[in-house]
Amino acid sequence: DAGVIQSPRHEVTEMGQEVTLRCKPISGHNSLFWYRQTMMRGLELLIYFNNNVPIDDSGMPEDRFSAKMPNASFSTLKIQPSEPRDSAVYFCASSFAPDSEAFFGQGTRLTVV
Amino acid sequence: KQEVTQIPAALSVPEGENLVLNCSFTDSAIYNLQWFRQDPGKGLTSLLLIQSSQREQTSGRLNASLDKSSGRSTLYIAASQPGDSATYLCAVEELQAGTALIFGKGTTLSVSS
Repeated sequence: DAGVIQSPRHEVTEMGQEVTLRCKPISGHNSLFWYRQTMMRGLELLIYFNNNVPIDDSGMPEDRFSAKMPNASFSTLKIQPSEPRDSAVYFCASSFAPDSEAFFGQGTRLTVV
Repeated sequence: KQEVTQIPAALSVPEGENLVLNCSFTDSAIYNLQWFRQDPGKGLTSLLLIQSSQREQTSGRLNASLDKSSGRSTLYIAASQPGDSATYLCAVEELQAGTALIFGKGTTLSVSS
């Protein structure tokens, strides 16, 4: 397996624009996580899906953020409208939860100017 | 609410030295604790997973221990090398249904030659 695949790797956008981040989890994994990493706050869980169903979205900052998992092999994280404070590295991870190793993608570095 | 703390935040050692990284967590109701490595600008790579029933795990020069009752884990790196320079993160997977990995902020290790 190629591991968790995220796209794009880098995204630069203007404030107010819509941004869509994409993730393909490892085949066979039943859980998918979206995390955001900043220097100040470290790695923060945004949302967690189990069997394509959102289980915990308490980490989603506000209504501008939304995530979907239409099937077991694809998820999106959308920010609309984007703001400069959304600039961060966004990671997707998958595992066969519970109690198993989590695998992370390479991340998407988002810059909102 | 689970909190994961890593001390120190940064560590510099000369090549060849043995070292210990520390991780503590506040709620012992966990499935497991995982140690990850993150190189600058890269994703997270899983190093070791210790399940709650285990006391330690070893992989090459790495040894991780878990004392669930006291809420502590250590990552021991033997004979450190410049290639070990990276940020090391620990994370716990809670027993509570629907929770994902909760991360510490990491220890940034620099090994000089």
